Amino acid sequence: VQLVESGGDLIQPGGSLRLSCSASGFSFSSYSMNWVRQTPGKGLEWISQISGDSRTRRHAASLKGRFSVSRDNARKTLFLQMTRLSAEDTGLYYCAREDFDDYPNASDFWGPGTQVTVAS
Amino acid sequence: QPTLTQPPSVSGAPGRRVSISCSGTRSNIGSGSDVFWYQQLPGEAPRLLISGNNKRPSGVPDRFSASKSGTSASLAISELQAEDEADYYCQAHDDNEWRVFGTGTKVTVL
Repeated sequence: VQLVESGGDLIQPGGSLRLSCSASGFSFSSYSMNWVRQTPGKGLEWISQISGDSRTRRHAASLKGRFSVSRDNARKTLFLQMTRLSAEDTGLYYCAREDFDDYPNASDFWGPGTQVTVAS
Repeated sequence: QPTLTQPPSVSGAPGRRVSISCSGTRSNIGSGSDVFWYQQLPGEAPRLLISGNNKRPSGVPDRFSASKSGTSASLAISELQAEDEADYYCQAHDDNEWRVFGTGTKVTVL
């Protein structure tokens, strides 16, 4: 199992950014996927989850609709579209696979993360 | 965003036992949700360490054990070793927020 995030950048407040997560080594379409971020002040924070068939998408209420998760199973890629970014969104963004077998509701594999910095 | 509460830090001498608490509410740990623990070594991504029923991924030593009672959970590390120095996070399903993490605990080996 391998997950590799990309797309992190230095972005100005109010801007938008799309993160990607490339997956390999497992049946990507069979698994729900999570985005989790880590910020200096708040530790780990769950952001979004999307089911394997994209039918169910959930986002943290604190995001107030600014972020949107999607996936392309043919390309084995997960996405996170982020809008109206502010300094509070600065952090390391991880994608993680959610297990349904041995550890249901746990993120059993994580990527190394991609850094998002929001600053002028 | 609601989180699970952990002590900021714990420490112990090599060979000793330390415990980390994780306090939740009726909408997460108290609702019967399983609790998971993650270990984050410096500069690395978190890795799944153990589930609430003490199921460990391959490679995780049995020095790590977990328990849960009511709205709280705990992680115990016995026979503490230098390689255990890391940040530890609990995580659970939440009926309102879907997934919640703990505030994190830094374990220092004296």
